[in-house]
Amino acid sequence: KNEVEQSPQNLTAQEGEFITINCSYSVGISALHWLQQHPGGGIVSLFMLSSGKKKHGRLIATINIQEKHSSLHITASHPRDSAVYICAVVSNFGNEKLTFGTGTRLTIIP
Amino acid sequence: KAGVTQTPRYLIKTRGQQVTLSCSPISGHRSVSWYQQTPGQGLQFLFEYFSETQRNKGNFPGRFSGRQFSNSRSEMNVSTLELGDSALYLCASSREVTSGRSLYFGPGTRLTVL
Repeated sequence: KNEVEQSPQNLTAQEGEFITINCSYSVGISALHWLQQHPGGGIVSLFMLSSGKKKHGRLIATINIQEKHSSLHITASHPRDSAVYICAVVSNFGNEKLTFGTGTRLTIIP
Repeated sequence: KAGVTQTPRYLIKTRGQQVTLSCSPISGHRSVSWYQQTPGQGLQFLFEYFSETQRNKGNFPGRFSGRQFSNSRSEMNVSTLELGDSALYLCASSREVTSGRSLYFGPGTRLTVL
């Protein structure tokens, strides 16, 4: 079982829909990152959080440390939001390396 | 402020050769971390350098190595290339160590091993 699980793996939605991407992890963490990767490979860091909730524009990220779960929400989705969204955790035990989820491929149809 | 730069952007090598990739972090950032991305394994952590010292290392063979210079620029080296080393290699920089700061990724180097 992977240390970081994301769901769904693929998501197709109509423009304007509310999107939720989930990330569950099995290890104790000091931080969790949400990343966005567009075709061509470039990765942008969307959020880094260790507790609670963060908001940036139409994006909202939440984390529940007790339940080992985080969600990324996109409100009023737009075709430019089409990308792969990746969750990554930083273990708080020993080696603080990043461990990545397999990603969620989001396609927003106009 | 200039972003993270990686050179070269594309590279074709043959099995058995070695390769060196370079990463220049954002000015003022002292941490550089390296990642390998393949279709089969996804993103995997290679190593992290902070103030010229390797701070963390992922589960990769000794053929993968790196270093960081006093100006925070970093290089990674892969010796005796194998077909499975074909991947997108990404570096990221942050102001302090990875665990506590946002990451800024470079565009990546796409390595093809023939």
